[in-house]
Amino acid sequence: AQSVTQLGSHVSVSEGALVLLRCNYSSSVPPYLFWYVQYPNQGLQLLLKYTSAATLVKGINGFEAEFKKSETSFHLTKPSAHMSDAAEYFCAVTTDSWGKLQFGAGTQVVVTP
Amino acid sequence: GAGVSQSPSNKVTEKGKDVELRCDPISGHTALYWYRQSLGQGLEFLIYFQGNSAPDKSGLPSDRFSAERTGGSVSTLTIQRTQQEDSAVYLCASSFGKGSYEQYFGPGTRLTVT
Repeated sequence: AQSVTQLGSHVSVSEGALVLLRCNYSSSVPPYLFWYVQYPNQGLQLLLKYTSAATLVKGINGFEAEFKKSETSFHLTKPSAHMSDAAEYFCAVTTDSWGKLQFGAGTQVVVTP
Repeated sequence: GAGVSQSPSNKVTEKGKDVELRCDPISGHTALYWYRQSLGQGLEFLIYFQGNSAPDKSGLPSDRFSAERTGGSVSTLTIQRTQQEDSAVYLCASSFGKGSYEQYFGPGTRLTVT
């Protein structure tokens, strides 16, 4: 079985500051890891994915994440927050070749001017 | 091209009634997934389809929930005898299938049981 834990249900960041969202996973086999973003009243949009290639993964909108096996982590970062980054972010894991996802509880990001 | 579509976008129903939620996946996607998003439980996997078959129904919360997929395309999630705890947003996603880990999500159906 696998699971993900997102630290912090709410994060407030100033515009232009670093965005750091934390995700730790638990899995008995090599996992595939994902970050999704959800804007109000919309579905989920894939930001980036780790599928056992490069450990530093770059995604859309300037986001990136680093897979650290020793720390069982897959934290999401963006060097400079923009007002449009305000949304809810979900970390997800799968070990299933058909990609059934297990999600973390989500982190709501608020960007202040 | 068109993304994943779901209908209706909102559904209000009375406790005890049956409801059907529809998902139209992206053309050519062989895999289709249903998830549920609720305040108390977060995002939960319900069921997925490989073509028209559902090898994993482990997430369906009770036997009141069922789903089918026809023609390798449209899927319907049916909830019988709805209960208030069924109130949630039901999300559908599709992908190219085995080995393809990019799921495309629809906007969801918000179900409210009164």
